[in-house]
Order: sequence, then C-alpha cells, then structure tokens
Amino acid sequence: NAGVTQTPKFQVLKTGQSMTLQCAQDMNHNSMYWYRQDPGMGLRLIYYSASEGTTDKGEVPNGYNVSRLNKREFSLRLESAAPSQTSVYFCASSSRGWDRTYEQYFGPGTRLTVT
Amino acid sequence: DAKTTQPNSMESNEEEPVHLPCNHSTISGTDYIHWYRQLPSQGPEYVIHGLTSNVNNRMASLAIAEDRKSSTLILHRATLRDAAVYYCILRDRKNNFGNEKLTFGTGTRLTIIP
Repeated sequence: NAGVTQTPKFQVLKTGQSMTLQCAQDMNHNSMYWYRQDPGMGLRLIYYSASEGTTDKGEVPNGYNVSRLNKREFSLRLESAAPSQTSVYFCASSSRGWDRTYEQYFGPGTRLTVT
Repeated sequence: DAKTTQPNSMESNEEEPVHLPCNHSTISGTDYIHWYRQLPSQGPEYVIHGLTSNVNNRMASLAIAEDRKSSTLILHRATLRDAAVYYCILRDRKNNFGNEKLTFGTGTRLTIIP
C-alpha cells in the first residue's frame, strides 16, 4: 500500500495563478481532509469530505475549492493564488477504528510558495 | 472541542524514558484523548489514543489521570528517531460520522540528545 500520496511535492506560483493539488489514498477510506501548516504553527483544516460526493468547509476555507472525484481522490484548487497561501499542504484520510474513533493517515505534504 | 495545553519544548537523553504532559481541564466525558506526532518535513502520524484507562501500543503508552484532566504520553526508550513535534488532541466520540476533524495546537517539540 502506498497510503496517502500527494502531487506535486513542491510548487512555486505567482500571485493570481491557479493550480490544483492532487491527493489519492489506496486504503479504501471514506473520509478525506485537506490541512495547511504555516511555519511554526499547527495544522488547520481547510476542507473535508466525509464520503464520496460530499464536502464541507473546515476552519480556513476561503480562497480554496475542493473536489471529491471518487472514493480514492480528493483535490484542492487555488483559483487565484495569494502570498498568504504560502504554506505546506497536507492531505489525510481516515478509517473507523474498533472503538468508533478514527485514526487519520497523512500524506507527505506539498510545499507551496506564492510570490 | 475542548482545549489542550502542552509545553512548547522538551529535551531528553537518548535511550531514556520520556514523559510528555498534556493538560485538558475542560475535557468532557465523551472526549477521546489522541496523540499524533510530526517528524521533521513529514506529515503527522498517529501515535495512540484513549478514553479513561491507560493504553499501550508498540509505539508508546498513554497514562490518563483519574479525573481525566491531564494525560501523559510515555516513550519508554527514546531514540533519535523520536525527535518530533507531539500533539495532544481531544476528539468528541459523539461526532462519529466520518468527519474526524482534528484541531492541532502547536504541540511539544521533543529534542533527543545523543
């Protein structure tokens, strides 16, 4: 199993450009998430998808859109990048444990710089 | 979700036990205590979780105070590979519809001294 994979690993954008961050998981998980992590900070939730066909806003959704393409894939789109979106982006997926709690599995991250 | 408080940083010698504290004085009866860690330049990884009783797994032990207002993550024999930021997170078990949102604080940065 590859787990959670993200592409690209690094990206530099100019202000106003758009791009899509890709995420895929091969663990047959229903739930997927996008987080961002700014330097020296904890992770903040951007969007999540509890199941295929559903998406919901997290703590910091402004400036982003998401698509749950199928059960495996969850993409994050920046329509018009801004320097404030310079961050490391992590995708995660989760499974339901034996005690009804969920363990999240994270990808390696995408390091995005907007100049 | 209720809030947690952790020290910003801790140091420990290699091959010695490490006790990482977490205070959660406003914890509710349905909150699980989760620990994740983030190694340098990597995404977070799950470590352990518990509700009331102490828990052990291959990575660590979780000791939960009787009143549940605090907990301690125990690494029994620290190695250099355990140097990471450790996050203590509360999750309400009532919220079990697949939207397992995690609220990360800034965690404890653990440094292992060779």
